Amino acid sequence: DTQMTQSPSSVSASVGDRVTITCRASQGISSWLAWYQQKPGKAPKLLIYAASSLQSGVPSRFSGSGSGTDFTLTISSLQPEDFATYYCQQANSFPLTFGGGTKVEIK
Amino acid sequence: EVQLVESGGGLVQPGGSLRLSCAASGFGFTFSSYDMNWVRQAPGKGLEWLSYISSSGSSIYYADSVKGRFTISRDNAKNSLYLLMNSLRAEDTAIYYCARDPHSRWWFDPWGQGTLVTVSS
Repeated sequence: DTQMTQSPSSVSASVGDRVTITCRASQGISSWLAWYQQKPGKAPKLLIYAASSLQSGVPSRFSGSGSGTDFTLTISSLQPEDFATYYCQQANSFPLTFGGGTKVEIK
Repeated sequence: EVQLVESGGGLVQPGGSLRLSCAASGFGFTFSSYDMNWVRQAPGKGLEWLSYISSSGSSIYYADSVKGRFTISRDNAKNSLYLLMNSLRAEDTAIYYCARDPHSRWWFDPWGQGTLVTVSS
């Protein structure tokens, strides 16, 4: 199975800050990676697929990069509505696996 | 807009069974064209993928944690996805989400609102 490791597990940031979240796969997954945002009490929402493709309707301040084993999600200028937990997910092979999550909190 | 609505959750005793349903709707949404998945989230924990079924139902995968106990199925005529859960354990307590695979590439969008399953005596 492919293990996904996210870091940090939490980050405190202010509105307007640039935030970067890292996801590492235990084996190469090419660009088969997705990022999700989850707010408390809500279902996750797809932000990025294929490592760097922005899902329709997602603000352009979100971007993804990477391939192979190392990936990043960047929020270029944090907005109040972006405080949430973010998950990466590998889509290279079954079983599909998620990272442990990164909680973005208000500083 | 695609809508997925789960139902069937509730309180069940250890060793019991439960069948979850996911009803799909939306203008222009052809349920039979999309692969589907179940994902769960234990209270305060992260996301765990459980099962995948292809659009025709011919291809199915499970996580090891539920293999042999859970069965995924679909009825394309009813625009519905199901998860039959047997031999339930306390550690199966979670919110269960159904999710569409939009590109047949094993990611999830959209997700339903989830249904809570609690396994307890």
